[in-house]
Amino acid sequence: GQNIDQPTEMTATEGAIVQINCTYQTSGFNGLFWYQQHAGEAPTFLSYNVLDGLEEKGRFSSFLSRSKGYSYLLLKELQMKDSASYLCARGGGSQGNLIFGKGTKLSVKP
Amino acid sequence: EAGVTQFPSHSVIEKGQTVTLRCDPISGHDNLYWYRRVMGKEIKFLLHFVKESKQDESGMPNNRFLAERTGGTYSTLKVQPAELEDSGVYFCASSQDHPEAFFGQGTRLTVV
Repeated sequence: GQNIDQPTEMTATEGAIVQINCTYQTSGFNGLFWYQQHAGEAPTFLSYNVLDGLEEKGRFSSFLSRSKGYSYLLLKELQMKDSASYLCARGGGSQGNLIFGKGTKLSVKP
Repeated sequence: EAGVTQFPSHSVIEKGQTVTLRCDPISGHDNLYWYRRVMGKEIKFLLHFVKESKQDESGMPNNRFLAERTGGTYSTLKVQPAELEDSGVYFCASSQDHPEAFFGQGTRLTVV
């Protein structure tokens, strides 16, 4: 996936906090996206970072460091419904062309 | 507001046959994208329409794949003739203003 790396699977407990890391190749960078995908459903947009720092949106936050080619998605107060795959993607050469990682399958346990 | 819809949801065809996938974007969205996920791999970009024009088709695997978007509304992706390696989930997405793109649920294509 053009050097977008994220863990394959993670497990966390309901009510806890989990951080999903993503590293990417910095050349041609055009923004960093996170999508959530429940099994058999459409990927849904969570966040977009183009500048360094933390973007907070409710229970979900996303962080970007452009110089390090690094991002993370932080999920707080985990709920069972947060069990899903989380896809890290970077903007590619043309506007809208997304380059995806393989996704991280998160399982939230009671 | 209706989301991005794709038809069919599943298709099983024999090697050598033709299949046409359809995508209806969110009304008013000028940008339409096709992506594909082969089993075990990441979602990969195929092409991008702006209205009826192909903005970027760098991800199309070969000339067995033909995408159209007549009138700048819905789009079709035809695979002719289908090969075994074409099996996967084909996603369509649309957007008006970058960066948020809305995805459809995908068409699962199985070539046997």
